[in-house]
Amino acid sequence: AQRVTQPEKLLSVFKGAPVELKCNYSYSGSPELFWYVQYSRQRLQLLLRHISRESIKGFTADLNKGETSFHLKKPFAQEEDSAMYYCALRDDKIIFGKGTRLHILP
Amino acid sequence: GAGVSQTPSNKVTEKGKYVELRCDPISGHTALYWYRQSLGQGPEFLIYFQGTGAADDSGLPNDRFFAVRPEGSVSTLKIQRTERGDSAVYLCASSLTPGAYNEQFFGPGTRLTVL
Repeated sequence: AQRVTQPEKLLSVFKGAPVELKCNYSYSGSPELFWYVQYSRQRLQLLLRHISRESIKGFTADLNKGETSFHLKKPFAQEEDSAMYYCALRDDKIIFGKGTRLHILP
Repeated sequence: GAGVSQTPSNKVTEKGKYVELRCDPISGHTALYWYRQSLGQGPEFLIYFQGTGAADDSGLPNDRFFAVRPEGSVSTLKIQRTERGDSAVYLCASSLTPGAYNEQFFGPGTRLTVL
Protein backbone atom coordinates (compact mmCIF):
# COMPACT_ATOMS: atom_id res chain seq x y z
CA ALA A 1 0.00 0.00 0.00
CA GLN A 2 1.15 3.53 -0.71
CA ARG A 3 1.87 5.39 2.48
CA VAL A 4 3.79 8.39 3.75
CA THR A 5 4.92 8.52 7.37
CA GLN A 6 6.05 11.62 9.22
CA PRO A 7 6.95 10.44 12.71
CA GLU A 8 7.09 13.86 14.38
CA LYS A 9 3.93 15.90 14.97
CA LEU A 10 5.90 18.83 16.34
CA LEU A 11 9.52 19.83 16.00
CA SER A 12 10.92 22.79 17.91
CA VAL A 13 14.30 24.14 16.84
CA PHE A 14 16.25 27.21 17.87
CA LYS A 15 16.89 29.90 15.27
CA GLY A 16 20.21 29.21 13.56
CA ALA A 17 20.20 25.51 14.41
CA PRO A 18 19.92 22.77 11.77
CA VAL A 19 16.52 21.38 10.86
CA GLU A 20 15.61 17.87 9.75
CA LEU A 21 12.02 16.85 9.15
CA LYS A 22 11.71 13.13 8.71
CA CYS A 23 9.68 11.37 6.05
CA ASN A 24 9.46 7.69 5.13
CA TYR A 25 7.37 6.25 2.35
CA SER A 26 5.99 2.97 1.11
CA TYR A 27 5.46 2.66 -2.63
CA SER A 28 5.78 -0.05 -5.23
CA GLY A 29 7.70 1.41 -8.13
CA SER A 30 9.65 4.62 -8.55
CA PRO A 31 8.07 7.29 -6.36
CA GLU A 32 7.62 10.95 -7.10
CA LEU A 33 8.14 12.70 -3.79
CA PHE A 34 7.39 16.23 -2.69
CA TRP A 35 7.40 18.51 0.30
CA TYR A 36 4.48 20.90 0.77
CA VAL A 37 4.35 23.75 3.25
CA GLN A 38 1.50 25.67 4.82
CA TYR A 39 2.35 28.93 6.56
CA SER A 40 -0.07 30.39 9.07
CA ARG A 41 -3.29 31.57 7.40
CA GLN A 42 -1.97 30.73 3.93
CA ARG A 43 -2.86 27.98 1.50
CA LEU A 44 -0.95 24.77 0.99
CA GLN A 45 1.90 25.22 -1.48
CA LEU A 46 4.63 23.14 -3.06
CA LEU A 47 8.04 23.61 -1.44
CA LEU A 48 10.17 21.23 -3.46
CA ARG A 49 10.12 18.01 -5.47
CA HIS A 50 12.80 15.36 -5.57
CA ILE A 51 13.08 15.24 -9.36
CA SER A 52 14.19 18.87 -9.43
CA ARG A 53 17.00 18.31 -6.96
CA GLU A 54 16.70 21.97 -6.05
CA SER A 55 17.14 24.04 -2.92
CA ILE A 56 14.19 26.24 -2.02
CA LYS A 57 14.42 28.76 0.82
CA GLY A 58 17.56 26.92 1.92
CA PHE A 59 15.75 23.57 2.19
CA THR A 60 16.91 20.41 0.45
CA ALA A 61 15.64 16.85 0.43
CA ASP A 62 17.39 13.76 -0.85
CA LEU A 63 15.56 10.63 -1.90
CA ASN A 64 17.12 7.56 -0.29
CA LYS A 65 15.57 4.52 -1.95
CA GLY A 66 17.43 2.08 0.27
CA GLU A 67 15.95 3.61 3.41
CA THR A 68 12.73 4.70 1.64
CA SER A 69 13.22 8.17 3.08
CA PHE A 70 12.92 11.73 1.86
CA HIS A 71 13.97 13.86 4.81
CA LEU A 72 13.80 17.66 4.55
CA LYS A 73 16.85 19.54 5.77
CA LYS A 74 18.03 23.08 6.29
CA PRO A 75 21.40 23.94 7.84
CA PHE A 76 20.32 27.11 9.67
CA ALA A 77 16.71 27.61 10.75
CA GLN A 78 15.03 31.00 10.37
CA GLU A 79 11.98 32.25 12.25
CA GLU A 80 9.99 32.50 9.02
CA ASP A 81 10.39 28.73 8.55
CA SER A 82 7.75 28.12 11.22
CA ALA A 83 4.91 26.30 9.42
CA MET A 84 3.25 22.92 8.81
CA TYR A 85 5.27 20.69 6.51
CA TYR A 86 3.77 17.77 4.61
CA CYS A 87 5.72 15.07 2.85
CA ALA A 88 3.82 13.67 -0.12
CA LEU A 89 3.92 10.94 -2.69
CA ARG A 90 2.30 11.34 -6.07
CA ASP A 91 1.15 9.49 -9.12
CA ASP A 92 -1.91 11.43 -10.25
CA LYS A 93 -3.44 12.04 -6.83
CA ILE A 94 -1.25 13.10 -3.93
CA ILE A 95 -0.82 10.96 -0.83
CA PHE A 96 0.13 13.16 2.10
CA GLY A 97 1.73 12.39 5.41
CA LYS A 98 0.08 13.69 8.56
CA GLY A 99 2.42 16.64 8.70
CA THR A 100 5.00 18.05 11.08
CA ARG A 101 4.62 21.43 12.71
CA LEU A 102 7.99 23.18 12.72
CA HIS A 103 8.34 25.80 15.43
CA ILE A 104 11.44 27.97 15.32
CA LEU A 105 12.37 29.33 18.72
CA PRO A 106 13.98 32.79 18.92
CA GLY B 1 -3.44 35.61 -12.53
CA ALA B 2 -6.05 34.40 -10.07
CA GLY B 3 -5.39 31.23 -8.17
CA VAL B 4 -7.81 28.47 -7.21
CA SER B 5 -10.80 29.84 -5.34
CA GLN B 6 -13.30 28.03 -3.14
CA THR B 7 -16.64 29.09 -1.77
CA PRO B 8 -17.87 29.36 0.86
CA SER B 9 -14.82 29.74 3.08
CA ASN B 10 -16.83 28.47 6.04
CA LYS B 11 -20.02 26.42 6.17
CA VAL B 12 -21.89 25.44 9.29
CA THR B 13 -24.74 23.00 8.87
CA GLU B 14 -26.84 20.62 10.89
CA LYS B 15 -26.59 16.87 10.86
CA GLY B 16 -28.69 15.42 8.08
CA LYS B 17 -28.60 18.48 5.83
CA TYR B 18 -27.30 18.70 2.27
CA VAL B 19 -24.30 20.92 1.38
CA GLU B 20 -22.54 22.00 -1.78
CA LEU B 21 -18.96 23.21 -1.91
CA ARG B 22 -17.67 25.03 -4.96
CA CYS B 23 -14.23 25.15 -6.56
CA ASP B 24 -13.04 27.50 -9.31
CA PRO B 25 -9.77 26.20 -10.74
CA ILE B 26 -7.06 28.20 -12.44
CA SER B 27 -8.20 29.06 -15.96
CA GLY B 28 -6.99 26.50 -18.50
CA HIS B 29 -6.25 23.80 -15.95
CA THR B 30 -7.78 20.56 -17.12
CA ALA B 31 -7.20 18.52 -13.96
CA LEU B 32 -9.10 19.26 -10.74
CA TYR B 33 -8.73 17.49 -7.40
CA TRP B 34 -10.69 17.38 -4.16
CA TYR B 35 -9.08 16.54 -0.83
CA ARG B 36 -10.41 16.43 2.73
CA GLN B 37 -8.32 17.43 5.72
CA SER B 38 -9.55 16.40 9.14
CA LEU B 39 -8.12 17.91 12.30
CA GLY B 40 -4.56 16.79 12.92
CA GLN B 41 -4.32 14.92 9.63
CA GLY B 42 -2.80 15.55 6.25
CA PRO B 43 -5.09 16.10 3.27
CA GLU B 44 -6.74 12.91 1.98
CA PHE B 45 -7.61 12.41 -1.66
CA LEU B 46 -11.30 12.24 -2.57
CA ILE B 47 -11.69 12.52 -6.35
CA TYR B 48 -10.07 14.00 -9.42
CA PHE B 49 -11.41 15.16 -12.76
CA GLN B 50 -9.76 15.27 -16.13
CA GLY B 51 -11.96 17.63 -18.05
CA THR B 52 -15.59 16.85 -17.30
CA GLY B 53 -15.14 13.25 -16.28
CA ALA B 54 -14.15 11.80 -12.93
CA ALA B 55 -10.89 9.97 -13.65
CA ASP B 56 -10.50 8.57 -10.13
CA ASP B 57 -13.16 8.68 -7.42
CA SER B 58 -11.61 6.01 -5.23
CA GLY B 59 -11.24 8.37 -2.27
CA LEU B 60 -14.92 9.22 -1.87
CA PRO B 61 -15.82 7.69 1.51
CA ASN B 62 -19.37 6.60 0.65
CA ASP B 63 -22.30 7.31 -1.63
CA ARG B 64 -23.30 10.41 0.32
CA PHE B 65 -20.44 12.18 -1.43
CA PHE B 66 -20.66 13.17 -5.06
CA ALA B 67 -18.82 15.67 -7.26
CA VAL B 68 -19.47 17.13 -10.68
CA ARG B 69 -17.63 19.27 -13.19
CA PRO B 70 -20.17 19.67 -15.99
CA GLU B 71 -18.29 22.13 -18.20
CA GLY B 72 -14.75 21.12 -17.37
CA SER B 73 -14.08 24.18 -15.24
CA VAL B 74 -15.96 24.82 -11.98
CA SER B 75 -16.55 21.79 -9.77
CA THR B 76 -19.07 21.20 -7.00
CA LEU B 77 -18.63 18.69 -4.20
CA LYS B 78 -22.00 17.58 -2.86
CA ILE B 79 -22.57 15.91 0.48
CA GLN B 80 -25.96 14.45 1.34
CA ARG B 81 -27.27 13.69 4.83
CA THR B 82 -24.24 15.24 6.48
CA GLU B 83 -22.79 13.61 9.58
CA ARG B 84 -20.65 15.09 12.33
CA GLY B 85 -17.70 13.06 11.02
CA ASP B 86 -17.86 15.01 7.75
CA SER B 87 -16.55 18.08 9.58
CA ALA B 88 -13.22 18.96 7.97
CA VAL B 89 -11.49 21.38 5.63
CA TYR B 90 -12.25 20.50 2.02
CA LEU B 91 -9.44 21.46 -0.31
CA CYS B 92 -9.54 21.83 -4.05
CA ALA B 93 -6.49 21.85 -6.31
CA SER B 94 -5.94 22.17 -10.04
CA SER B 95 -3.10 21.42 -12.42
CA LEU B 96 -2.50 22.10 -16.09
CA THR B 97 -2.81 18.39 -16.86
CA PRO B 98 -2.78 15.28 -14.67
CA GLY B 99 0.43 13.53 -13.79
CA ALA B 100 3.16 13.81 -11.24
CA TYR B 101 5.19 16.36 -13.20
CA ASN B 102 2.52 19.03 -13.12
CA GLU B 103 2.24 21.06 -9.96
CA GLN B 104 -1.09 21.07 -8.20
CA PHE B 105 -2.14 24.51 -6.98
CA PHE B 106 -4.35 24.53 -3.92
CA GLY B 107 -7.28 26.70 -2.98
CA PRO B 108 -7.78 28.13 0.51
CA GLY B 109 -10.26 25.43 1.45
CA THR B 110 -13.81 25.34 2.78
CA ARG B 111 -14.15 24.63 6.49
CA LEU B 112 -17.26 22.50 6.97
CA THR B 113 -18.72 22.12 10.44
CA VAL B 114 -21.58 19.72 10.98
CA LEU B 115 -23.39 20.29 14.28
